[in-house]
Amino acid sequence: AQSVTQPDIHITVSEGASLELRCNYSYGATPYLFWYVQSPGQGLQLLLKYFSGDTLVQGIKGFEAEFKRSQSSFNLRKPSVHWSDAAEYFCAVGANSGGYQKVTFGTGTKLQVIP
Amino acid sequence: SQTIHQWPATLVQPVGSPLSLECTVEGTSNPNLYWYRQAAGRGLQLLFYSVGIGQISSEVPQNLSASRPQDRQFILSSKKLLLSDSGFYLCAWRGNRGNTIYFGEGSWLTVV
Repeated sequence: AQSVTQPDIHITVSEGASLELRCNYSYGATPYLFWYVQSPGQGLQLLLKYFSGDTLVQGIKGFEAEFKRSQSSFNLRKPSVHWSDAAEYFCAVGANSGGYQKVTFGTGTKLQVIP
Repeated sequence: SQTIHQWPATLVQPVGSPLSLECTVEGTSNPNLYWYRQAAGRGLQLLFYSVGIGQISSEVPQNLSASRPQDRQFILSSKKLLLSDSGFYLCAWRGNRGNTIYFGEGSWLTVV
């Protein structure tokens, strides 16, 4: 069975600083990997995804993530954080199981941006 | 383009009352449909998924049930709500040839 670990529950960064959110997964084969963002009281919005190919994937809002098979990681990065990036971020791993896509989410990392 | 609608957005219900949350998807056919719950300060827990009309699978035993009466309609129900059913419920869909799950806006349920 797959699993996802987001070791940081809360992260605080200054506006304009760089950001890296950590994600480690466990899955026997090559997984489908996702990052979602959730603003308070809202649904989840897909930031980016990795299925295969180039291990550095670009997403919306200036985010990128790098798949590192040797480290079982899929960390999310942004070179310069904006105040509007304050939200909760979820890493997820997906796998096809019996004809449907089972997606397992991490427990999330809450990002606070300070002026 | 595909859209997903979920309602009601907010619900306050007394313990022991019934529940019905509805979700519809437009712009696609035969999607995989999902219900997730997000309790305060916790991650997302998959409750139910459906690969077709009348086909429902439950991930965890609970006080809730799901139904799929039409191809693009997914309903989450309870006959008698418990306090522990409070949370944020998210409907989601995946195209039958895709690998990405897309979420609705969610429904806040408070059981009092």
